[in-house]
Amino acid sequence: TQLLEQSPQFLSIQEGENLTVYCNSSSVFSSLQWYRQEPGEGPVLLVTVVTGGEVKKLKRLTFQFGDARKDSSLHITAAQPGDTGLYLCSGGTSYGKLTFGQGTILTVHP
Amino acid sequence: DTGVSQNPRHKITKRGQNVTFRCDPISEHNRLYWYRQTLGQGPEFLTYFQNEAQLEKSRLLSDRFSAERPKGSFSTLEIQRTEQGDSAMYLCASSLSDSNYGYTFGSGTRLTVV
Repeated sequence: TQLLEQSPQFLSIQEGENLTVYCNSSSVFSSLQWYRQEPGEGPVLLVTVVTGGEVKKLKRLTFQFGDARKDSSLHITAAQPGDTGLYLCSGGTSYGKLTFGQGTILTVHP
Repeated sequence: DTGVSQNPRHKITKRGQNVTFRCDPISEHNRLYWYRQTLGQGPEFLTYFQNEAQLEKSRLLSDRFSAERPKGSFSTLEIQRTEQGDSAMYLCASSLSDSNYGYTFGSGTRLTVV
């Protein structure tokens, strides 16, 4: 069974601060995804990374896939209250479904 | 395309009743997935289809749960004899055959068993 562990589980920060969320596994994944979910809604895909060492940027969000394709990080610069939500990572293999981490609940206070 | 559509959005049922949820995926996507999520946690895999074939079902899934995708388009998830522990958000997602590009999720069905 492939597991993804996210840390921290909870993060409460002030507007303007920077933060990093981690997604780690002992297994190798062929791809890794990050999602953001708001209460009462389904997760929304932010990015997919497929190459070891790959870095992708989405405005103030920077995503990195580890060289060994076992881990990933999400860095947010100058967090805003609109960034508040549940951040999920998922990992894919060459067969079947994606495996999800348990999520990081981010709260950004004005 | 309007994305992945799930109905109903909310369902309140009494313990012991049967419930059925529907999911309409993105039309070009041949894979359809069902996940269950409790508050503040990550989605837990239930089952998935490629076209009309059910390719995998979680070993944790009780026999009270059944899913169908009869024509390879929409899917239904039925829970028989509901229990309070079934209360959760039930998420449907769809993807192309290569799920490595990620899923498109619906807004979910919130089930409350009283």
